[in-house]
Amino acid sequence: LAKTTQPISMDSYEGQEVNITCSHNNIATNDYITWYQQFPSQGPRFIIQGYKTKVTNEVASLFIPADRKSSTLSLPRVSLSDTAVYYCLVGDDGAGTALIFGKGTTLSVSS
Amino acid sequence: NAGVTQTPKFRILKIGQSMTLQCTQDMNHNYMYWYRQDPGMGLKLIYYSVGAGITDKGEVPNGYNVSRSTTEDFPLRLELAAPSQTSVYFCASSWDGSRTQYFGPGTRLLVL
Repeated sequence: LAKTTQPISMDSYEGQEVNITCSHNNIATNDYITWYQQFPSQGPRFIIQGYKTKVTNEVASLFIPADRKSSTLSLPRVSLSDTAVYYCLVGDDGAGTALIFGKGTTLSVSS
Repeated sequence: NAGVTQTPKFRILKIGQSMTLQCTQDMNHNYMYWYRQDPGMGLKLIYYSVGAGITDKGEVPNGYNVSRSTTEDFPLRLELAAPSQTSVYFCASSWDGSRTQYFGPGTRLLVL
């Protein structure tokens, strides 16, 4: 399984764009990159998933360079409600796949 | 849709006691999972199920048991509670076993 490395914490202000980078040097050919968000006292919530290049949805964008050894989750114009822990996960998308969570990145957004 | 529901929300157990954590999903998902999250840490997989009647161990199964008699329910059983099992337990489900999983609100367990 590919190991991921992401910053322990990040601070931002409301209205700013936040980019959280995840390193996964040993990513395998079949592996996808998935990001989850977790608010205090709640279960994780799926944000976005990608394999290569760029993926965008209503919540975030995911940028994956050609070598796929890293990825960047981009949150546009964050608000106080984006304060949460963000997890980067790497693994294949086969049936029954269990998610491997690290410690994640704690994002704190201030006014 | 209620999604994934878990009961109880919070429980205190004495060492050696047993209990069952309940998990129910109403999305007709085949795959269900149990994770635990210790303070300041990520989640670790305890058990998972790919369908009714089929279960398998995850990363940290010792001290736990599961059953899956219906598609909707996936209870987690602690037979002899130990302080090391103090944690927050999350149940999750997935339609196709992919990396898009839906999590419940969690059960906070304290073993004293």
